[in-house]
Amino acid sequence: DAKTTQPNSMESNEEEPVHLPCNHSTISGTDYIHWYRQLPSQGPEYVIHGLTSNVNNRMASLAIAEDRKSSTLILHRATLRDAAVYYCILHSGDNAGNMLTFGGGTRLMVKP
Amino acid sequence: EAQVTQNPRYLITVTGKKLTVTCSQNMNHEYMSWYRQDPGLGLRQIYYSMNVEVTDKGDVPEGYKVSRKEKRNFPLILESPSPNQTSLYFCASSPLIRRGPRLHEQFFGPGTRLTVL
Repeated sequence: DAKTTQPNSMESNEEEPVHLPCNHSTISGTDYIHWYRQLPSQGPEYVIHGLTSNVNNRMASLAIAEDRKSSTLILHRATLRDAAVYYCILHSGDNAGNMLTFGGGTRLMVKP
Repeated sequence: EAQVTQNPRYLITVTGKKLTVTCSQNMNHEYMSWYRQDPGLGLRQIYYSMNVEVTDKGDVPEGYKVSRKEKRNFPLILESPSPNQTSLYFCASSPLIRRGPRLHEQFFGPGTRLTVL
């Protein structure tokens, strides 16, 4: 699977939107973009995934650049519960290995 | 409640003493996987299984074994643990879907913190 690059950490104020960027310049046409988050002392939790079009669910929105070389996870109103490490992962739809390779992620801190 | 369970949650053992960490899911998922998480190295996949009796190596399989005799269970076996296997271990499961990404949402267990002295 191709590699992703994320900032090590970001800070946000409670109740404000948060935009978490991810660069994946070597993405291939069959790679899906997945986001997971890991709250302190817990296992990772699925957030959202997409291929080309922007996606929304109850947790977040995923905005994917037209060239697909970057994407942004959007939390519309950050809460203290959203403080976590957020992982952007590429997963190939053709990948016979079916592995998910987690990078370093972005540690999101939310200030009250 | 749909969940992935792991046992034990915490384990301290000594070098060379065989151990098994169990993982069980109640969602009838085909895909199961083991990860280890270490500071500065993130989550790395150890082994995964696409279905019963089908297992394959992930990024860091050395020193580990797995088996998938039943769909719901995917135990991780350390035949001769060493201190470099001290880590936080996560089991995960996911349905496999036929179109789009083969892996959809993965459900993770609560983790097993293993210390090998």
